[in-house]
Amino acid sequence: KNEVEQSPQNLTAQEGEFITINCSYSVGISALHWLQQHPGGGIVSLFMLSSGKKKHGRLIATINIQEKHSSLHITASHPRDSAVYICAVSYYGGSQGNLIFGKGTKLSVKP
Amino acid sequence: NAGVTQTPKFRVLKTGQSMTLLCAQDMNHEYMYWYRQDPGMGLRLIHYSVGEGTTAKGEVPDGYNVSRLKKQNFLLGLESAAPSQTSVYFCASSELPGSGNTIYFGEGSWLTVV
Repeated sequence: KNEVEQSPQNLTAQEGEFITINCSYSVGISALHWLQQHPGGGIVSLFMLSSGKKKHGRLIATINIQEKHSSLHITASHPRDSAVYICAVSYYGGSQGNLIFGKGTKLSVKP
Repeated sequence: NAGVTQTPKFRVLKTGQSMTLLCAQDMNHEYMYWYRQDPGMGLRLIHYSVGEGTTAKGEVPDGYNVSRLKKQNFLLGLESAAPSQTSVYFCASSELPGSGNTIYFGEGSWLTVV
């Protein structure tokens, strides 16, 4: 049972398109993280949020605590946005320090 | 600012050999973690530490040991490597998770056990 579900698993877009990646979770959380992983590279934290909405450049992350759902949006997508995007949650009642990770969404942006 | 540094980046081991992965962070973080990443699966926690001298088991601890003798370093050991331990290993560090603190990851260590 995976308590963090991401959709879609794979996404191909044309440069300039608006992209949405979804994350649903089943536990009470204290925070939700969006991470980015480039091929062969490390993992970078994009956002950490516990309510509302955050924006950084062309990236926007939203969370609805009542619906246990978060979305990551990319506006005016670019080939350099091609990466795996991972949702992770810090949850109440879990082992101290533990995060539960989604399996990731692989995004490919074509020029 | 180095952040989180892992060594080595690549390693090939024979079954039964031992090795140690080193993770170093320069942000004075209390929490450090070792994860493994396998195809089709999310990152899974192997062991973690909430401070110098402490360690705790995560989701998949079997076959691994860890030590946190210094606050900035977290070592992951494989005493007798098995092919099932072929994976990409990520170290991470943070202050108290879920309290507005970002988690920082290393670049990953690719381990193949033949």
